[in-house]
Amino acid sequence: AQSVTQLDSQVPVFEEAPVELRCNYSSSVSVYLFWYVQYPNQGLQLLLKYLSGSTLVKGINGFEAEFNKSQTSFHLRKPSVHISDTAEYFCAVSLGTGNQFYFGTGTSLTVIP
Amino acid sequence: GAGVSQSPRYKVAKRGQDVALRCDPISGHVSLFWYQQALGQGPEFLTYFQNEAQLDKSGLPSDRFFAERPEGSVSTLKIQRTQQEDSAVYLCASSLAERGGHEQFFGPGTRLTVL
Repeated sequence: AQSVTQLDSQVPVFEEAPVELRCNYSSSVSVYLFWYVQYPNQGLQLLLKYLSGSTLVKGINGFEAEFNKSQTSFHLRKPSVHISDTAEYFCAVSLGTGNQFYFGTGTSLTVIP
Repeated sequence: GAGVSQSPRYKVAKRGQDVALRCDPISGHVSLFWYQQALGQGPEFLTYFQNEAQLDKSGLPSDRFFAERPEGSVSTLKIQRTQQEDSAVYLCASSLAERGGHEQFFGPGTRLTVL
């Protein structure tokens, strides 16, 4: 079975500071990688995805992520966070040959004014 | 266009009751997924439909869980004889793709509380 590890369950950061949310996965085959954001009482919203091509992926709201195959990582970054970025962030993996998503346990990002 | 909708948004059931959770996917989306999200956890896969065919139900935790999508559009997740451990948010997602790799669009979820 595939596994996705989000190393930090909670990340507090001051407003306008940079942030990195870490994600590692286990797979010996090609994967597709996703980051979703979940605001309170709302569904999951796609931030960005890596399917193929450039390993640096840019998403919505100023977020970006870099796919590192050798380290099996897909860390999410933002150079300057806003209060509105406070939310739960989930990393997800989909196998090239399958359909279901495997999710990490989530990272709660809290932006401090 | 409308996104994925789910109803009810909240459901409280007494232990032993049967419940039915509805999902309306985005029109034209071939694939439909159900996930279970326990408190403080990431979503976990339950089952997958391609049109009306249930291709994978390996994530259903017990035979009390049953899902259907008879006309390849709306789907219902039914839980019989609910137990306290069934309390969770049930998420529905739909996708255009018939094979992996494409974005899944998620509904707001149904929060089930079993007393």
